[in-house]
Amino acid sequence: GESVGLHLPTLSVQEGDNSIINCAYSNSASDYFIWYKQESGKGPQFIIDIRSNMDKRQGQRVTVLLNKTVKHLSLQIAATQPGDSAVYFCAEIRETSYDKVIFGPGTSLSVIP
Amino acid sequence: DAGITQSPRHKVTETGTPVTLRCHQTENHRYMYWYRQDPGHGLRLIHYSYGVKDTDKGEVSDGYSVSRSKTEDFLLTLESATSSQTSVYFCAISRQGAQETQYFGPGTRLLVL
Repeated sequence: GESVGLHLPTLSVQEGDNSIINCAYSNSASDYFIWYKQESGKGPQFIIDIRSNMDKRQGQRVTVLLNKTVKHLSLQIAATQPGDSAVYFCAEIRETSYDKVIFGPGTSLSVIP
Repeated sequence: DAGITQSPRHKVTETGTPVTLRCHQTENHRYMYWYRQDPGHGLRLIHYSYGVKDTDKGEVSDGYSVSRSKTEDFLLTLESATSSQTSVYFCAISRQGAQETQYFGPGTRLLVL
C-alpha cells in the first residue's frame, strides 16, 4: 500500500554532531514534501519543504535531500543542539489528493549534551 | 503557533457524552483541518474544510462531525464519545490547501473514560 515511513524510529546524537533523519515514500506521483518538528506537548512546527522538481533545499542549519529514483527523503541538521531534541515527521502530499497530507509516524531525536 | 488557538487544551469526559473542540485562527486562511495523533500512527486526518460551510471527510472520520460557520472557526464534535477517541487532537490551517504548508495549533488532549 501507499505509505510514508521512517527508517529509524529513534536517533541519539552528540551535541555538535550532524544528524540525519530518513524517510521513505512509496508514491512516485507525490510532488511536495515537508519536514515537521514536534516538541513534547506542542503541535508540529514546519521546518522545511521541498517540491519534486528539486533535489536539495537548504535552510538555517537544515538541509532536505530528495532522491526521486529511490523515493527517499532525508533531513540533515548541522551542529545539532539540545534544542533540536524532538520528534521529526516527514509528510507527503500527492497532487491527486491535494487536500490531504500523509504523515510518517515520526523519528525521535535525542541530543546528548 | 501561527495565530491558531484550540480550546479546551485538556478535557476529561465520560463515554457517551458529546464533546466539541474548537479551533480558532486569526490568519484568514481558507483551509482548516482536524487531525488526531496516537502513538504508532502519526497524524491522521479526521475532517477538513475548504471554506465556510464546505467540509469533507478524512481517513478517520467515523464518529466525528465538523462545522464551519465562519472563516476563523472550525468545530469538531464527537457526538457520543468512546474510549477509542482518547487522543490528542490538532487543528491545522493552510492558505490554499495541501500544496501549501499547513500550520498547526497547540493541540487538545482528550481523555474519554
